[in-house]
Amino acid sequence: AQKVTQAQTEISVVEKEDVTLDCVYETRDTTYYLFWYKQPPSGELVFLIRRNSFDEQNEISGRYSWNFQKSTSSFNFTITASQVVDSAVYFCALSGGGADGLTFGKGTHLIIQP
Amino acid sequence: DAMVIQNPRYQVTQFGKPVTLSCSQTLNHNVMYWYQQKSSQAPKLLFHYYDKDFNNEADTPDNFQSRRPNTSFCFLDIRSPGLGDAAMYLCATSRDGGVGTDTQYFGPGTRLTVL
Repeated sequence: AQKVTQAQTEISVVEKEDVTLDCVYETRDTTYYLFWYKQPPSGELVFLIRRNSFDEQNEISGRYSWNFQKSTSSFNFTITASQVVDSAVYFCALSGGGADGLTFGKGTHLIIQP
Repeated sequence: DAMVIQNPRYQVTQFGKPVTLSCSQTLNHNVMYWYQQKSSQAPKLLFHYYDKDFNNEADTPDNFQSRRPNTSFCFLDIRSPGLGDAAMYLCATSRDGGVGTDTQYFGPGTRLTVL
C-alpha cells in the first residue's frame, strides 16, 4: 500500500522567510511519481511539480525548489523569500503511474504573515 | 482558459434527495477522476474512468455513482445524500495512463452542503 506523510500540519512564518515543507512517502512500486499541489482558499488544486522515481535531480522554479532523495524516501519543497500569496494548503502526493489515483498526504497549511 | 470545469461551484441538497455534480474538460484527456475532500482532510479518490472503462475504489460507498457519456463530460451522482457526504468534490483529468503522462489537472471543485 502507498502512503504519504506530511508531518507538519501547519507552519506560520513571516513574509520573506524561507520555509521547507516535508514529505515522506512509502511505496513498493519501483516506478512511481511524486507531486506537489497547492490548494488556496478558493479550493482548486493547482499542480506545481511532478517527479519520476528514476530522476533524482533537484529542481528549481523561481522561488520554489524541490529536493528528492530516494535514500530517505523524501520529496521536500522549499519556498524561498516567502510571500503572502504563498499562503495555502500544500499537498504532497504519490502515484504508481498508469491511470491511478493519487495518494495524498494530509497537507500542510502554510501561513505567511505580512 | 478553463480546462477542467465543474458546475455548480456550490450545491445545496436535502438529506436523501438525489444530486448530480458535473465536470467537463477541454483537454481531450482520456482519464477522468472524482475525489471527495472533507473539511481539513486530503482528497480521497472515489473512482475514475479510463476512456469508457469505469474503475471504482474498493471503499467507495454504493451511494456514489458516475457516468461518462463522452470524452468531455463526467457526472457524479449521489443517490441518497447523507449528512456525512457534505464535502468538496473535485474532478481531475489526466491525458492517459502511459508512463510520463500522469499529471492530474483539477477543476475548482463543487462544495456540497446537505441539509
